Formats: sequence, structure tokens, C-alpha cells
Amino acid sequence: SYDLTQPPSVSVSPGQTASITCSGDKLGDKYSSWYQQKPGQSPVVVIYQDYKRPSGIPERFSASNSGNTATLTISGTQAMDEADYYCQTWDSSTYVVFGGGTKLTVL
Amino acid sequence: QITLKESGPTLVKPTQTLTLTCTFSGFSLNTSGVGVGWIRQPPGKALEWLALIFWDDDKRYSPSLKNRLTITKDTSKNQVVLTMTNMDPVDTATYYCAHRPPRGLRLTFFDYWAQGTLVTVSS
Repeated sequence: SYDLTQPPSVSVSPGQTASITCSGDKLGDKYSSWYQQKPGQSPVVVIYQDYKRPSGIPERFSASNSGNTATLTISGTQAMDEADYYCQTWDSSTYVVFGGGTKLTVL
Repeated sequence: QITLKESGPTLVKPTQTLTLTCTFSGFSLNTSGVGVGWIRQPPGKALEWLALIFWDDDKRYSPSLKNRLTITKDTSKNQVVLTMTNMDPVDTATYYCAHRPPRGLRLTFFDYWAQGTLVTVSS
């Protein structure tokens, strides 16, 4: 099976840059997506196809994917960005795979 | 405007079969490339993908759960149904259905999610 590994938690000060990693074997050869989930809400896609932002997602959200690691970057992090973040990819054997999630704390 | 909503029991007993229905609007499952997936999330835990059905009736299942899952679609009713057999308390979770936009297979992601429905497994 194919697995994606994320750090359980990341902390960032308001206005600073937050980086959340997602690791998987040759993940850079696949496409990655990122979802934001706030308490009590459904996930929202913030990045798809490695770096593309859906309409309505602020420009401070960006991402990259290379080698074994995909990275979600939030520039000028705001209090409203505090949430759980999940990476996701498609694998030919395991199909849809989600990472274990990262809790982003803005303090 | 794409919307999805799950319906089904909120409480099931161990060993019973769970049947959840996802009713959607704003898109058609006859459209090439479109899919509907099911994802669950146990309380306080991570998202776990369960199943995905495509416009052409191609079906994919989580390898770890495939023996217990069946996904079907009724295009005329704009519905997708997921059944999960032999329910256990560890299957207690919020179950989501979500829209997969028309893309190549490797570009699979979910852009619209339903609100989720909490299913508790308890005797």
C-alpha cells in the first residue's frame, strides 16, 4: 500500500510563514492535493494538481511537490488559517490516499 | 452550483450493514470524468478514503476495506449509494461524500464535499 506521512502538528506566529510537509515514496511523480478542515466543518480543497489554487482560495496558500515531499506553504499566516491540513494523492494500487493530517496552530 | 448531501442511519448495531445515500445536484454522473467518492473520519482522527465511482461505472475501493464495501450509482436519481457490511464500533465516524471533478485519473481530488453524517456503531 502507499502511505503519506505528515507531521502531527505545526505552530506558527501570526504573519509568519507556515510550511507543512507530506512525504511519500516518489510523491513528486504523482499529483498532490491539500485540504483544510476547520473544527466541525467539511474539508475544503486549497491546492490541487500540486500547486493550483481553486477560485476563492487566498494567494497566501501555495504548494510544491518534488522528490518524496510535497509542501504546503502559507505566507502571512492569519488566525483564520488555524485548522487541520491533509495531503492527498492518487496511487495506481491504493487509489485515493490521504495523509494523517497536520494540526496548524497560529499563536 | 454543486451540492451533495448524505442520508442514512445515525446508529447501527454491530454486525449490521450500513447503507448511506449521497444525493447530489449541479452535476451529472453521466459526464465524462466525473466521480463521487466516500470518505470517513472517526472522531478526532484523520480522513480515510473508502470508495469512488466514476461516470462510466468504474469503481475503486480502499484495499483495506474492499471486502466490506459496495458503491453503486443511480444516475436518474442523482444518487450514489455506499454499503458497508459487518459494522463494528471502530467504524464509528463521520461519513462524507464528495464530488470528483473531471480530470485524468492521476489528478483525482475532491472539490465539493457534503456536510457529513455521523454514524455510530453500538449495541
